[in-house]
Amino acid sequence: AQSVTQPDIHITVSEGASLELRCNYSYGATPYLFWYVQSPGQGLQLLLKYFSGDTLVQGIKGFEAEFKRSQSSFNLRKPSVHWSDAAEYFCAVGSGGSYIPTFGRGTSLIVHP
Amino acid sequence: NAGVTQTPKFQVLKTGQSMTLQCAQDMNHEYMSWYRQDPGMGLRLIHYSVGAGITDQGEVPNGYNVSRSTTEDFPLRLLSAAPSQTSVYFCASRIAGVSSYEQYFGPGTRLTVT
Repeated sequence: AQSVTQPDIHITVSEGASLELRCNYSYGATPYLFWYVQSPGQGLQLLLKYFSGDTLVQGIKGFEAEFKRSQSSFNLRKPSVHWSDAAEYFCAVGSGGSYIPTFGRGTSLIVHP
Repeated sequence: NAGVTQTPKFQVLKTGQSMTLQCAQDMNHEYMSWYRQDPGMGLRLIHYSVGAGITDQGEVPNGYNVSRSTTEDFPLRLLSAAPSQTSVYFCASRIAGVSSYEQYFGPGTRLTVT
């Protein structure tokens, strides 16, 4: 069965600083990987996804993520955080054998001015 | 397109009451699913459907029923609400096929059971 771990429950950064949110997955074959963002009181919006090909994936809002098979990781990065990036971030993993991806528990990003 | 819509946005129930959370999508998506979101627990899958007339259980199905009579609608029923069902509920949909795995989420329903 597939699973995903987001080891950080909360991350606090200063506005303008760089950001990395961690995501580790467990799945035997090549996974399908996603990062979603949830602003307060809102539904989830897709930031980026990885299916195959280039392991560095660009997303919306200046985010990128890198798939590292050897580390079973798909970490989300942003070079300079804006106050509007404060939100909950979810990593999800899917596979060819499942209809619905599995979500991690989320990381809450707090941005200090 | 309206995307995925959910009603109501907020609901307060007394223990033992029943209600239906509505979910509709206008994107002709085959797959639909229901999640609940609780603090520190992330999103947990309740039920999902891969097409009209086909539903299956997710991780936390107890206390919830679903049916899928049309492609567009996927209601979630609470037959006898319990305080443990206080949560935020999200509906999501996507088209079938591995190559288009992205899910589209509704805005959520915040349910309180007293």
